[in-house]
Formats: sequence, C-alpha cells, structure tokens
Amino acid sequence: KQEVTQIPAALSVPEGENLVLNCSFTDSAIYNLQWFRQDPGKGLTSLLLIQSSQREQTSGRLNASLDKSSGRSTLYIAASQPGDSATYLCAVRGTGRRALTFGSGTRLQVQP
Amino acid sequence: GAGVSQSPSNKVTEKGKDVELRCDPISGHTALYWYRQRLGQGLEFLIYFQGNSAPDKSGLPSDRFSAERTGESVSTLTIQRTQQEDSAVYLCASSSLGRDTEAFFGQGTRLTVV
Repeated sequence: KQEVTQIPAALSVPEGENLVLNCSFTDSAIYNLQWFRQDPGKGLTSLLLIQSSQREQTSGRLNASLDKSSGRSTLYIAASQPGDSATYLCAVRGTGRRALTFGSGTRLQVQP
Repeated sequence: GAGVSQSPSNKVTEKGKDVELRCDPISGHTALYWYRQRLGQGLEFLIYFQGNSAPDKSGLPSDRFSAERTGESVSTLTIQRTQQEDSAVYLCASSSLGRDTEAFFGQGTRLTVV
C-alpha cells in the first residue's frame, strides 16, 4: 500500500527566504507526482505535475524535483512571499491504484 | 465548464438524514475522484471513476456511502443516515484520460452533521 509522508508538518520563515518542502513515498511504481496548494477553507490548486520519466519541473519561483528510485520529491520555493502562506500537499498516482495518494501536507507561513 | 464545480458549497444536516453531494467535472475529463478531508487532517480517498471501467470503491468507509456517475458527466456522492463523524469537506477532482495527466479539484462541499 502506497504511503506518502511530508516533512516538515509546519514551517515558518521570514519573507525572502528560499525554502524546501519534502515528500517521500514508499512505492516507486508511480505514473506521476503532483504538488498542490491549499488555502484555508478552499479546495486544492495544482502547482506542478512531474511525470515518472522526468527529474524536475519549474513554474515561476517554484521548482519540483523527483527521484523515483529513492521515493522522494522536493518542492523548492524561491524568494518566499507572504502570499505563499498555505498548506502544500504532494500526491502520487500509482501504476496499480490510479487514484492519487496524498501526504498530510506542510503548513507554510511566510512572515512579512 | 472552466473548472470542477461542486454543489452545494455548504450543507448542514441533522444526524440520521441522507445527503447528496454533486460534482460537475471539467468537460471531457474521463476520470473523477472523491476525497474527504476532516478538519485539520489530510485527504482520504473515497472513490475513483475512470471512463466505463468499474469504479474503485476501496476508500468508501461504510455501506452508508455510495457514489454514481453516468458516463463522463456529473457524479453524486450519497451519504445515508448521516453521523456526526461524517462532518468534513468533500472534495471532487477530475482529470483527462491517460496516466500522465493533471488532476484538478473543485472547491469542495463542507458538510456539517448536527
């Protein structure tokens, strides 16, 4: 059974810092990994999708990497801003069960 | 439509009543997912529809929960004889056919059982 873990559970940083969020998964048989953002009381917004054959994806100040063999992904946020404050979730789509399996998220607060 | 639409956005119901939650996926998306998110917790998988294949119901927590989807259109999640433990945000997502596709979520339905 796929299990997804995110570390840290919470993170508080001053504005302008670069930061890294970690995601690990137990079963490397995946099709892709997706990073989401969730604001309080809202749904999920897709940030980046990395396919199993890819090593990284970039979108603006966000860069996500994937090391499928070791079961790890990182989300790098450059020059953090208060508007980045949210919960960040990673999810993997396995080759067996096609539904996404989610981690429990990292709650990020960027202090102005 | 432009995005995944869920209704109602909020629902308060009395314990023991049945509720129906609705999800309109992005047009053309063959895959549809339901998740539950209890307050302060992660997303729990409930059910997954993929085209005309048999749905993956492995996440449904009890036989009080059921979901339907006709073709590639609207899905309804039904909870019978609601309990207070059913209080949560119910999230729906859809994606297009293919294994390397992105999933898009609706804003969710917040269910409160009193």
